[in-house]
Amino acid sequence: EVQLVQSGSEVKKPGESLKISCKGSGHTFSSDWIAWVRQMPGKGLEWMGVIYLGDSDTRYSPSFQGQVIISADKSISTAYLQWTSLKASDSAMYFCARPGYSGYIAFDIWGQGTMVTVSS
Amino acid sequence: QSVLTQPPSISAAPGQKVTISCSGSSSNIGNNFVSWYHQLPGTAPKLLIYDDNKRPSGIPDRFSGSKSGTSATLGITGLQTGDEADYYCGTWDGSLSAGVFGGGTKLTVL
Repeated sequence: EVQLVQSGSEVKKPGESLKISCKGSGHTFSSDWIAWVRQMPGKGLEWMGVIYLGDSDTRYSPSFQGQVIISADKSISTAYLQWTSLKASDSAMYFCARPGYSGYIAFDIWGQGTMVTVSS
Repeated sequence: QSVLTQPPSISAAPGQKVTISCSGSSSNIGNNFVSWYHQLPGTAPKLLIYDDNKRPSGIPDRFSGSKSGTSATLGITGLQTGDEADYYCGTWDGSLSAGVFGGGTKLTVL
């Protein structure tokens, strides 16, 4: 079964750093793009950015450029989402997803989500 | 404020048909394919429609997509209680060089 498995929930303090992961299995993801999508509590979906696992070519939404770092390790079919200094407003569910069809927005496979809570 | 505009909520009775609209502009819907998702509480979204009107394998033909100009529409026929969910449209925005989603529509099946 082709799937994306994300790392577990995190509870952090403001100012701390964090790196969450999204690992693909059941498929050779080295030639796939993986995107990150944020969902704040009770709110809608926000496209954050996308990375090509083959060469780590990365595109960011202007809303998230400079706020997060998206990276990947193709040898282990894993994408990462990283913060260097968390804020309370980063508290949200974060999903990774594969755009399996045209463009970077038709996501056919989703991770289960990683809940990030930032609180002092 | 989302780039794509959807009605916040819609309701209908079991067995009926509903349509959910998604309005954008020439920089997004007008020149790019639209996808539709539904999301049950506490779960990841699920792709219903891609490339404006195509269904992934396993999605019943009760779900349909269409597009005209800068607006897209998701249609659902034969409503079931299990269709109660949040529905989102999404597409690429060439001006932003980023993906964008609608604000979501909560479907209630009465």
